Amino acid sequence: KQEVTQIPAALSVPEGENLVLNCSFTDSAIYNLQWFRQDPGKGLTSLLLIQSSQREQTSGRLNASLDKSSGRSTLYIAASQPGDSATYLCAVRGWAGGSYIPTFGRGTSLIVHP
Amino acid sequence: EAQVTQNPRYLITVTGKKLTVTCSQNMNHEYMSWYRQDPGLGLRQIYYSMNVEVTDKGDVPEGYKVSRKEKRNFPLILESPSPNQTSLYFCASSLSPAGGYNEQFFGPGTRLTVL
Repeated sequence: KQEVTQIPAALSVPEGENLVLNCSFTDSAIYNLQWFRQDPGKGLTSLLLIQSSQREQTSGRLNASLDKSSGRSTLYIAASQPGDSATYLCAVRGWAGGSYIPTFGRGTSLIVHP
Repeated sequence: EAQVTQNPRYLITVTGKKLTVTCSQNMNHEYMSWYRQDPGLGLRQIYYSMNVEVTDKGDVPEGYKVSRKEKRNFPLILESPSPNQTSLYFCASSLSPAGGYNEQFFGPGTRLTVL
């Protein structure tokens, strides 16, 4: 069964730092990996989607990479801002165990203080 | 605007009183699903639907029912809610279940409390 782990579980940094959030998964037979942002008590906002054939995707200050063979993805946040404070979730989708159920990590809770 | 909507956003009910949470998407997506999110457990899928009249169990289906009579709607039914179903519920959709390009879109969430 697919398992997704996110490290670190929590992170507190001063404004302006460049950050790396990690996501690892156990089954490399995936279709894609998606990074989300979730504000407290709110829904999930999609940040980046990386298809299994891609190595990275960029959107503004965000860059996500995918190394399918090693089962890893990283989300790089450049020049962090207090508005980046949120929980960041990664999710992988693939055909595993006879279903398409996406698997989520537990998330990294990020606080960026001024 | 492309979106997934859920109603109600907040609901407090009592044990055993049947309830339905609605979900609708306007993107003509084939795949829809329901998740619950609990502290320390993360997001877990309850049910999913690959298309109209095609539904299947996710990881935690016990105590829930779903139906998919129209492509755009995927209601979640709790026929006899219990306190352990107190949770934050999300509906999500994507164009199809497979394929690398399929981005998941999430609704705003429904916070359910069962007393």
